[in-house]
Amino acid sequence: EVQLVESGGGLVQPGGSLKLSCAASGFTFSSYWMHWVRQAPGKGLVWVSRINTDGSSTSYADSVKGRFTISRDNAKNTLYLQMNSLRAEDTAVYYCVRGGSSSCYGWGQGTLVTVSS
Amino acid sequence: QSALTQPPSASGSPGQSVTISCTGTSSDVGGYNYVSWYQQHPGKAPKLMISEVSKRPSGVPDRFSGSKSGNTASLTVSGLQAEDEADYYCSSYAGSNIVFGGGTKLTVL
Repeated sequence: EVQLVESGGGLVQPGGSLKLSCAASGFTFSSYWMHWVRQAPGKGLVWVSRINTDGSSTSYADSVKGRFTISRDNAKNTLYLQMNSLRAEDTAVYYCVRGGSSSCYGWGQGTLVTVSS
Repeated sequence: QSALTQPPSASGSPGQSVTISCTGTSSDVGGYNYVSWYQQHPGKAPKLMISEVSKRPSGVPDRFSGSKSGNTASLTVSGLQAEDEADYYCSSYAGSNIVFGGGTKLTVL
């Protein structure tokens, strides 16, 4: 069974940092592109970032470029999202998503990040 | 990176068909055959219903179908059932990124 389990969310002050993790199991993690997608409370889905299978290629939404860094450890079957200079508008549930270069397939249950003083 | 345009709401009675549109540009929907549709029930994670415009993943009922014409993609749900009531989102590849629609709340009357 494919499983994606996010962790690392929580309450952080504006300007602070947080690192999300996503533990993958039930599939060959190193064969899939991975994405982060977020959803602010009561709002729609917003794509955040993606990373290729070996971590050599990444891309970001304009809203997080220069502040967020996506990475992966294929030996640990884990995806990461380092979030710096957090703003109130970054408050959202962050989903780890298995996919291809152009699509999102399977979703984790998400982890809530709240940016507030 | 503008969001794709979806109607905020759609509705239909059990057994009826409903179609939800997703309008983008030639840089996303119109430029690639990588349109996906997701179903999200309240408090749950999204679930892939359609990929690559019209491909249905294993386990998704054949009541769900997708199509595309120009810059607009569509999701049709036939034979509406109560459990189809949910939010539906489209997404499209847009070069180096992926863009989502704003979502459509489907109500089964």
